[in-house]
Amino acid sequence: KAGVTQTPRYLIKTRGQQVTLSCSPISGHRSVSWYQQTPGQGLQFLFEYFSETQRNKGNFPGRFSGRQFSNSRSEMNVSTLELGDSALYLCASSSNSGGGYNEQFFGPGTRLTVL
Amino acid sequence: LAKTTQPISMDSYEGQEVNITCSHNNIATNDYITWYQQFPSQGPRFIIQGYKTKVTNEVASLFIPADRKSSTLSLPRVSLSDTAVYYCLVGDINSGGGADGLTFGKGTHLIIQP
Repeated sequence: KAGVTQTPRYLIKTRGQQVTLSCSPISGHRSVSWYQQTPGQGLQFLFEYFSETQRNKGNFPGRFSGRQFSNSRSEMNVSTLELGDSALYLCASSSNSGGGYNEQFFGPGTRLTVL
Repeated sequence: LAKTTQPISMDSYEGQEVNITCSHNNIATNDYITWYQQFPSQGPRFIIQGYKTKVTNEVASLFIPADRKSSTLSLPRVSLSDTAVYYCLVGDINSGGGADGLTFGKGTHLIIQP
């Protein structure tokens, strides 16, 4: 099986712009989660989608949004970029099939730099 | 929110067994405990997951006491390549982590020396 893929891998934007990041989960996985990783704050949960519905949401401002398509691919959007949005954005997928076991598979991340 | 507390860093030597303990005093009934490993510039990688008692796989063991307020990741005979950040997470894995998702703490930076 192919792993989780994220595009683009690197991105440079300027303040005030918006950006869209894409994530393709492992085939058959219905849950996609997004995380922001920075040196100061570590790995922070953004949101999780399951079967096209946002099921969980972290403590981020409304500038951060996402969606999931019927094929489970997901996108996240950040509007009105700020310098502090510079980070590694990680996507993770899981089958979430229940049964007391759930492993998240992470993609390589998108490195966003805001100038 | 089931917050976790881990040591910020640990040192050990090749061939030694390393135990990393994580505290999660307000773990909920539906929460599972999961450990991930992360190398620089890579996404985290699943190590092991458990609910209670002991779980063992080919790379690690996870010890969870009866009160589930802590857990210990045990790495047998570590090598230099085990130098990484290790994260302990608690959450309701059957609902995507629950209302707060699966929350990563700051992790433990494990450094293995020759």
